[in-house]
Amino acid sequence: GQQVMQIPQYQHVQEGEDFTTYCNSSTTLSNIQWYKQRPGGHPVFLIQLVKSGEVKKQKRLTFQFGEAKKNSSLHITATQTTDVGTYFCAGPGGGNQFYFGTGTSLTVIP
Amino acid sequence: SAVISQKPSRDICQRGTSLTIQCQVDSQVTMMFWYRQQPGQSLTLIATANQGSEATYESGFVIDKFPISRPNLTFSTLTVSNMSPEDSSIYLCSVIRGNTEAFFGQGTRLTVV
Repeated sequence: GQQVMQIPQYQHVQEGEDFTTYCNSSTTLSNIQWYKQRPGGHPVFLIQLVKSGEVKKQKRLTFQFGEAKKNSSLHITATQTTDVGTYFCAGPGGGNQFYFGTGTSLTVIP
Repeated sequence: SAVISQKPSRDICQRGTSLTIQCQVDSQVTMMFWYRQQPGQSLTLIATANQGSEATYESGFVIDKFPISRPNLTFSTLTVSNMSPEDSSIYLCSVIRGNTEAFFGQGTRLTVV
């Protein structure tokens, strides 16, 4: 499978601070997805990006897909304790499967 | 959305034994996917389960260790065979809807002692 790396691996922020996680693929991706996994839970789909340079927003979350379609970022503005969890990007394989990035674990300190 | 019922939710097993995990989907899907998530780690794809044909395994995973059944379009099982403590992990089944979104079962937390 492809290699999808994320940085940072862990991030601790004070509530109200911003947070960004970066995703880098070894290959060009047709699309990229983002998932959130709460502690003890299973991954939940957040969004899919398809177009080169695409930017999408969901309230305080901003998702970007790089021009070369090999990297992506998720930015959270003014974090809240409800944002706690691990954020994964995922890229498609050749047969409809998805390969998940290494993940970024976010801790929000009240 | 998709509803996936996965069981058992957790189990503690003796080394050398096998555990079969079941996933039931609320509607028909062509492919089902099995992932492993070791503590604090990402999800690693084990195999893709197709109805009516043998599962396709990812590098590092073999059928003898992780046999998969897919008897119909709504059901699949993954067996973890001859378990060792290294198999302690969370196992998740997944389906994709609309070629876009992956839905996951609740996961099976396996501890091998």
